[in-house]
Amino acid sequence: QQQVKQSPQSLIVQKGGISIINCAYENTAFDYFPWYQQFPGKGPALLIAIRPDVSEKKEGRFTISFNKSAKQFSLHIMDSQPGDSATYFCAARGGGATNKLIFGTGTLLAVQP
Amino acid sequence: EAGVAQSPRYKIIEKRQSVAFWCNPISGHATLYWYQQILGQGPKLLIQFQNNGVVDDSQLPKDRFSAERLKGVDSTLKIQPAKLEDSAVYLCASSLYYEQYFGPGTRLTVT
Repeated sequence: QQQVKQSPQSLIVQKGGISIINCAYENTAFDYFPWYQQFPGKGPALLIAIRPDVSEKKEGRFTISFNKSAKQFSLHIMDSQPGDSATYFCAARGGGATNKLIFGTGTLLAVQP
Repeated sequence: EAGVAQSPRYKIIEKRQSVAFWCNPISGHATLYWYQQILGQGPKLLIQFQNNGVVDDSQLPKDRFSAERLKGVDSTLKIQPAKLEDSAVYLCASSLYYEQYFGPGTRLTVT
């Protein structure tokens, strides 16, 4: 119940295309869903986040779609660029007093020029 | 605004040796976290501090790992003795509210 399942494990997209990464969860107590971007040798960087009372959030080329009834959420990267090539992690906050994040297993995105 | 600082960036030790990592959070962030990231996996929370008190250490292997946050600012994470399976990147993060900001991490290799 404390897992966040992420797919695909890896993704290759052409420059200008749309990258889509999906995550699913079981625990309905999760109350905050961030996405992180990680480059090799760097720590994860917060990209965008959403609360479960919102179905979509957009920031620039990045959009989170959230389906509360299906317990699924996804990251869409529009007009993907080679500089977007990185590992992307979805996460979920456990709720309650702890701010613990449960991370997915990551998606390695390669955007080909 | 300065980010989360960590040192050292890399450390190589032999099994059964001890090692310590240091973290300085973003100024004003009351909550500090230590995560372990094994190659090819997402980060896993080891311990969470609120000021200098422990909020969650349920996944900290307490027989070999210890952490402290004196004065509610800097923190150290220690492993003693290290095992081969401790090879990972140790990430420190801090937060004011929900958003957690990560440092660059310390890559530990245990041989």
